[in-house]
Amino acid sequence: DAGVIQSPRHEVTEMGQEVTLRCKPISGHNSLFWYRQTMMRGLELLIYFNNNVPIDDSGMPEDRFSAKMPNASFSTLKIQPSEPRDSAVYFCASNSGGRSNEQFFGPGTRLTVL
Amino acid sequence: QQQVKQSPQSLIVQKGGISIINCAYENTAFDYFPWYQQFPGKGPALLIAIRPDVSEKKEGRFTISFNKSAKQFSLHIMDSQPGDSATYFCAARNRGTYKYIFGTGTRLKVLA
Repeated sequence: DAGVIQSPRHEVTEMGQEVTLRCKPISGHNSLFWYRQTMMRGLELLIYFNNNVPIDDSGMPEDRFSAKMPNASFSTLKIQPSEPRDSAVYFCASNSGGRSNEQFFGPGTRLTVL
Repeated sequence: QQQVKQSPQSLIVQKGGISIINCAYENTAFDYFPWYQQFPGKGPALLIAIRPDVSEKKEGRFTISFNKSAKQFSLHIMDSQPGDSATYFCAARNRGTYKYIFGTGTRLKVLA
């Protein structure tokens, strides 16, 4: 099992550019979560999907952020336009649902917006 | 009410000592309390978890103590080792959802 896969691992971009982060959850997992981690705010849940449907997006900071899950094996988090304050590590996690409680995290994408 | 307050922010312990990290919450709808361990450059990984109907859970050197009436829970690491040096996050899950609220993290350093 390859675990949760995220790409790219590092992204450096300039303010105003569009950024797309990608995630492949563990096969068979039907819940997917996007988190943002910063020193100031810790680990924040941005959005989560269950069976490819967005369930709670209350953590999405503003309209510049959007997330999609077109199928069970792929999700994207897009920031357009990006700003320096978006610089953070973005994690994707998945969970098998049902009675399972554990969220399995990917290695993260470190985003730097100049 | 959705917050989980974690302390201390950082902790330095001698090898062989006991590391203790505390968390407190307000929301009585939380029904699952995991602890995650994160090494630099890696994603968090589940360490140990507890449900509120149990006061203590032990797995090897790691123990969660849970005080439902005080709405507090803590992680104890016995015989701390340099390999335990990492950031530890407590979390709480809203009943009926898969949504976790994470604490702010504790950076633990165990001196050799």
